[in-house]
Amino acid sequence: IAGITQAPTSQILAAGRRMTLRCTQDMRHNAMYWYRQDLGLGLRLIHYSNTAGTTGKGEVPDGYSVSRANTDDFPLTLASAVPSQTSVYFCASSQDRGGADTQYFGPGTRLTVL
Amino acid sequence: GQNIDQPTEMTATEGAIVQINCTYQTSGFNGLFWYQQHAGEAPTFLSYNVLDGLEEKGRFSSFLSRSKGYSYLLLKELQMKDSASYLCAVRDSNYQLIWGAGTKLIIKP
Repeated sequence: IAGITQAPTSQILAAGRRMTLRCTQDMRHNAMYWYRQDLGLGLRLIHYSNTAGTTGKGEVPDGYSVSRANTDDFPLTLASAVPSQTSVYFCASSQDRGGADTQYFGPGTRLTVL
Repeated sequence: GQNIDQPTEMTATEGAIVQINCTYQTSGFNGLFWYQQHAGEAPTFLSYNVLDGLEEKGRFSSFLSRSKGYSYLLLKELQMKDSASYLCAVRDSNYQLIWGAGTKLIIKP
């Protein structure tokens, strides 16, 4: 693989179910991010990780959790999905969080919660 | 609160020049980014400005005025493949990227 991969590509989920979105990068980047993108709104940061073993809350963290057990993987879990979590979810990574560091994005997961 | 403003949609003609504006009000400033996003795809990096002035990269240029909280992306010699959304993002004092909603650019033959 090259870059960032996300799985699944799309998912329809019943409200109340638990769901984990997977994200893997092979660029050995230190920082990783989860965003959601909704029509008419900018990308909103859910959670981030500066380096393996650390995580932080973004702008819209409620209802979501993350873990960063190693450099490559950064899964996002919805403990009990609600319809307002219907969105397109993007995982991204960058070498670090400062300077001119470019964020590279995965292809996204389109999630529908019914 | 923090705010990034961009026009929702713009239309331009193939071969022409278009300027997409972005104004921002954020808690601190640590750089401004422009990304391109084709429909159904992921955003991809176009440019980065941290000092005032113009940064040129091929057909694309980006300008920044920190005192005015203003940036623009200039696209020259427009091609049909430039039809996409263009996202402006500012890195704030916490090094978090604050994103605008994006400008959908429609190119007509």
